Amino acid sequence: GAGVSQSPRYKVAKRGQDVALRCDPISGHVSLFWYQQALGQGPEFLTYFQNEAQLDKSGLPSDRFFAERPEGSVSTLKIQRTQQEDSAVYLCASSPREGWYGYTFGSGTRLTVV
Amino acid sequence: GENVGLHLPTLSVQEGDNSIINCAYSNSASDYFIWYKQESGKGPQFIIDIRSNMDKRQGQRVTVLLNKTVKHLSLQIAATQPGDSAVYFCAENSAGNQFYFGTGTSLTVIP
Repeated sequence: GAGVSQSPRYKVAKRGQDVALRCDPISGHVSLFWYQQALGQGPEFLTYFQNEAQLDKSGLPSDRFFAERPEGSVSTLKIQRTQQEDSAVYLCASSPREGWYGYTFGSGTRLTVV
Repeated sequence: GENVGLHLPTLSVQEGDNSIINCAYSNSASDYFIWYKQESGKGPQFIIDIRSNMDKRQGQRVTVLLNKTVKHLSLQIAATQPGDSAVYFCAENSAGNQFYFGTGTSLTVIP
């Protein structure tokens, strides 16, 4: 597609439920990033992939958060046993080169944990 | 994480006036900065960037100023238009692949 696509756009989960958020990067983009954006705040880095390799996961807040990109294209961010503090917009960005240069954000998935 | 913050959380300007949005950062090692615009329900959109070896960079209707002495960044928007209404973030990178974002300033343009 023309841009970074994320699905679903909105997700409501009951506390304790597992969720999976999908990111379709721009075709051919090497690098993929996940950010978490709490209401009224700036995005915060979660993790970075270069092709299928997860090179940096220092921003994942707990071991309940897991991301994968098995074939170096689509990525999934999984959150296990969701908690209220996980409520946020989860943004995905992709870049045509290694690293952050020239990356483009998707519109995000808004997760609400009730 | 890094402390990148904005002085003014909200800003209202008349259409046609110039807007100035400010940002402070705390990491003196930061060497690359980006201003993003985020409209409701959308992801951040790149506006303009600047490297630490520059103090000014101009784009179309936008100018970014960098003062490394006081670790301050500003975004100037000329002849602000209603379509400029959004939340603006500064983001900085010092090393690695992640950017640190400020809290954001909400700009409202009054027609």
